Amino acid sequence: NAGVTQTPKFQVLKTGQSMTLQCAQDMNHEYMSWYRQDPGMGLRLIHYSVGAGITDQGEVPNGYNVSRSTTEDFPLRLLSAAPSQTSVYFCASSPPSRNTIYFGEGSWLTVV
Amino acid sequence: GIQVEQSPPDLILQEGANSTLRCNFSDSVNNLQWFHQNPWGQLINLFYIPSGTKQNGRLSATTVATERYSLLYISSSQTTDSGVYFCAVGTRGNMRFGAGTRLTVKP
Repeated sequence: NAGVTQTPKFQVLKTGQSMTLQCAQDMNHEYMSWYRQDPGMGLRLIHYSVGAGITDQGEVPNGYNVSRSTTEDFPLRLLSAAPSQTSVYFCASSPPSRNTIYFGEGSWLTVV
Repeated sequence: GIQVEQSPPDLILQEGANSTLRCNFSDSVNNLQWFHQNPWGQLINLFYIPSGTKQNGRLSATTVATERYSLLYISSSQTTDSGVYFCAVGTRGNMRFGAGTRLTVKP
């Protein structure tokens, strides 16, 4: 049971490049979310999903896409990276029967 | 959307001291959680507490939903308690986080 696994842990991108942050969970959780954390701030929700095939926008969705084709995976795509997307990204999951949220270890992204 | 405010923003304690962290929220909620982010960035769920009081070892939390605030108590603080404490409200997939309280416990 690996919990919530995010890859890569560190990434440097050039402005305009695209990339995908991977998130996988092996706990059969229905709820999955992506957050970003900027210095001195709390986490802000980018996109979330309440089950396979269902996604919705959070507080700061612009510049990001998601899909949820399986229960296990919830990738986050940066379409055209901008310096403003330099941040730490956290993936989270939660089962419908409990309220505990489990976070991945984070992905540090720098856009130059 | 709902606003979440935490205070104080920073707190420095000597090991062994007690502390109280506060979370105010602007609307009624049915899901409130406290998290600890350690100095390495790892986020751990401490409490799910939309109302009432819970205790887990040296930590306890109280939420007064009618007055829209929650308190996290840390007793006999240890250096391992250092990090940032976040309050979050919302639904499981869609949580709104406060800016956090950064706690530093000195030996």
